[in-house]
Formats: sequence, C-alpha cells, structure tokens
Amino acid sequence: GAVVSQHPSWVICKSGTSVKIECRSLDFQATTMFWYRQFPKQSLMLMATSNEGSKATYEQGVEKDKFLINHASLTLSTLTVTSAHPEDSSFYICSIVDQGKLGAKNIQYFGAGTRLSVL
Amino acid sequence: LAKTTQPISMDSYEGQEVNITCSHNNIATNDYITWYQQFPSQGPRFIIQGYKTKVTNEVASLFIPADRKSSTLSLPRVSLSDTAVYYCLVGDPDTGRRALTFGSGTRLQVQP
Repeated sequence: GAVVSQHPSWVICKSGTSVKIECRSLDFQATTMFWYRQFPKQSLMLMATSNEGSKATYEQGVEKDKFLINHASLTLSTLTVTSAHPEDSSFYICSIVDQGKLGAKNIQYFGAGTRLSVL
Repeated sequence: LAKTTQPISMDSYEGQEVNITCSHNNIATNDYITWYQQFPSQGPRFIIQGYKTKVTNEVASLFIPADRKSSTLSLPRVSLSDTAVYYCLVGDPDTGRRALTFGSGTRLQVQP
C-alpha cells in the first residue's frame, strides 16, 4: 500500500496568519488526494478532493478561499489555511487511494495528520 | 452514499473477542464495506474490506449477512493496544461513489 507523509505534524500560529500543510505520496503517483478535518472527539469530515493539475473540489460548506488547495505534482498536495482564526484549530488529515493487499479495492492511506492551533 | 450507523462506544477486557456491528441499510449493489482504525492524534489505517459473506486477515474478520444491510467487525482476543476508534465506510470503489464519508465511529476501550 501507499505511504503518505504529512508535514508539519503540529503547528501553532497567531490569528490572522496563514499556514501551509503538505501531503506527500512517497511511493505512489496520486492524481487525487483527499483532505479531511477532525475536531476533538468527532469523526473525520471530508473537506475537499485535490486533483493534480486542476482545481480542487470542495465539499458543501467548505470555503474554497479560506482553504486553498494546490496539487501541482503527482506526489504533492498542499492545504493552506488562510487568515487562520481560533475556530480553524483542528486536526487536518490527508489521504490517497490505492489498492490494498489481497485484492482490497481503493483503500485510503492516510497521513499522520497535522494539528493546527490558532492563538 | 450509504449512511452507516455504529454504536458510539464499547468496553472490553484484554483477551476477549470484540464484535462491532455497523448498519448500512441503503447499501448499493456495487458497494464494498471497509473498516478503518484510528488511534488518537493519528490518521486512520485500513483494517479490512469485504463485499459479502466472510473475510479474514491477520488482524480481524468481517462478517456480512446475505442482505448486506449490516456488517460485523470481529477482533479476536483484544489487547490494550486495540483501544481506538473504529469506522465502517460503504462505497463503490470502481466509481465516484467512493467510501469517503466517515460516520461517528465506535470508540473501543480495552481494559486490563
């Protein structure tokens, strides 16, 4: 299965600043990557689908101008939280889809996540 | 996309078998059922996937009845390290209806 690297693992920033999170596919060329957000004690919520060489597809209620996604290569997608505010503090996780062992289909392989704290 | 329903939490003791059931009443013909495990402050990781009947791998078994409206993840002889949140997802891997929607998940607490 694919290996996904996410960086940074933890970031603290001041309100009003922008933060960039990187998601790298280390051994797989990913035309599509997914970005999730997870608040404490809650489930993962899909934010957007990142498409290599084209615009990202955002889920309903997710502000595309707030969460900028760039998928410039087959191995890298970035999520930039612009003008971050305390309510943007959350755990951000990316994933790619690849085949699994024993014929498992389209399994998601997740990064380790990025914990964003906005002061 | 098929909506899933799971118990919010479960408690168990080390060495016991744990069965977590997921309901997916409106599962479509081509949908597969996939289970993930998530530890605190980590991304989820794949456990097992199935379409019908029974699937077994080195860590778990997945039981799916004939009507496929539910599925049961079985963890044999759990240990403390199995304490995590378990999610079942339903979707068609061959089309745009991929399994991307996470439900509430089941928080499993294993005690010594």
